[in-house]
Amino acid sequence: QKEVEQNSGPLSVPEGAIASLNCTYSDRGSQSFFWYRQYSGKSPELIMSIYSNGDKEDGRFTAQLNKASQYVSLLIRDSQPSDSATYLCAVNQAGTALIFGKGTTLSVSS
Amino acid sequence: DTAVSQTPKYLVTQMGNDKSIKCEQNLGHDTMYWYKQDSKKFLKIMFSYNNKELIINETVPNRFSPKSPDKAHLNLHINSLELGDSAVYFCASSQDNIPDEQYFGPGTRLTVT
Repeated sequence: QKEVEQNSGPLSVPEGAIASLNCTYSDRGSQSFFWYRQYSGKSPELIMSIYSNGDKEDGRFTAQLNKASQYVSLLIRDSQPSDSATYLCAVNQAGTALIFGKGTTLSVSS
Repeated sequence: DTAVSQTPKYLVTQMGNDKSIKCEQNLGHDTMYWYKQDSKKFLKIMFSYNNKELIINETVPNRFSPKSPDKAHLNLHINSLELGDSAVYFCASSQDNIPDEQYFGPGTRLTVT
């Protein structure tokens, strides 16, 4: 059974702080890793993808991948109240379906 | 210029009824998906179609039947609705038959009473 685990939270951070979201996965054959953001009552929106070990930065977002530890993380710098949402980690092995974690709810207080 | 659209947005119906949800994408993508998100927000794949061909069919009751008339459309028909079918159903699409970067529709909130 392929699994993707996330701490459901809520993770609460003050405005301007760094939010750190973590995800572990069980299938060592996984090749692609994604972070989706979902606002309450809305659909998931892709914000980051990462395919190789290391860091990938996009604006205030940094995705980190460690395949040896089967660990993916998302860092949000200078967190804003508008970042308050549920963040879904998703993983796939080539040719199969995306497996989503249950999401971590982030709350950024002003 | 909606990329992935679904109708209806809300659907309230009684147990035992049959209902359909429609999805259309104008992104030119080859692959379309149906996901179910339950009350605990867990998002799970149900079906995947690539160029009108069923690719993924997860463990879903056979009361659920997807239909893809062309690669831009993927509909979901549900027979004999049950209380446990209440959820938000999301359609998504991606550019090829590798579930890489997916674009989601707005969702259909189904409530079975």
